[in-house]
Amino acid sequence: DVKVTQSSRYLVKRTGEKVFLECVQDMDHENMFWYRQDPGLGLRLIYFSYDVKMKEKGDIPEGYSVSREKKERFSLILESASTNQTSMYLCASSLSGRSYVDTQYFGPGTRLTVL
Amino acid sequence: AQKVTQAQTEISVVEKEDVTLDCVYETRDTTYYLFWYKQPPSGELVFLIRRNSFDEQNEISGRYSWNFQKSTSSFNFTITASQVVDSAVYFCALSEVDNQFYFGTGTSLTVIP
Repeated sequence: DVKVTQSSRYLVKRTGEKVFLECVQDMDHENMFWYRQDPGLGLRLIYFSYDVKMKEKGDIPEGYSVSREKKERFSLILESASTNQTSMYLCASSLSGRSYVDTQYFGPGTRLTVL
Repeated sequence: AQKVTQAQTEISVVEKEDVTLDCVYETRDTTYYLFWYKQPPSGELVFLIRRNSFDEQNEISGRYSWNFQKSTSSFNFTITASQVVDSAVYFCALSEVDNQFYFGTGTSLTVIP
């Protein structure tokens, strides 16, 4: 079974702090994704990585950056957290191909609150 | 325009009733993929099914079944004899070969004991 883990289930940070959300997958998937989920808006893609050090912006990359130094790990960085970044963050991975056609497998999510 | 529309925001059914969750999609591609995911209260999205655009056969898996109709651009999901454990938010999604994964806004299903 695919296993995607995220470093924290719940996180509380203060405005202006730098925040790191970590995601690890154990199935040698090439593609990894970060989404945020907000009520009424569904899931929105923040960033997509299709290989180590390779990334593409999603729908809402502003205020976020990502890092992928190893194939199994994909980090989402909030350089200076703001209250409008309070949300549920979901990481996913899929097999390969720099495309979106493969099934994405999701981690348990990190519920981030920025005060 | 919404690529994936789940018009039912919330549905409540009594246990053992059948329930159908609607999903309508929009695409100009001939090759595309459709998905359903379940998100229980714990938060993790659980993959249920993936279907490609060339396979219109209906799928049944236990109490779950899916009806894919290209003529109406719909990929509906039916739960037969619903159970309390089916209570969750269900997402339909579309992926196009050279584009993104598009999620619907989800349908929240509550099964009342």
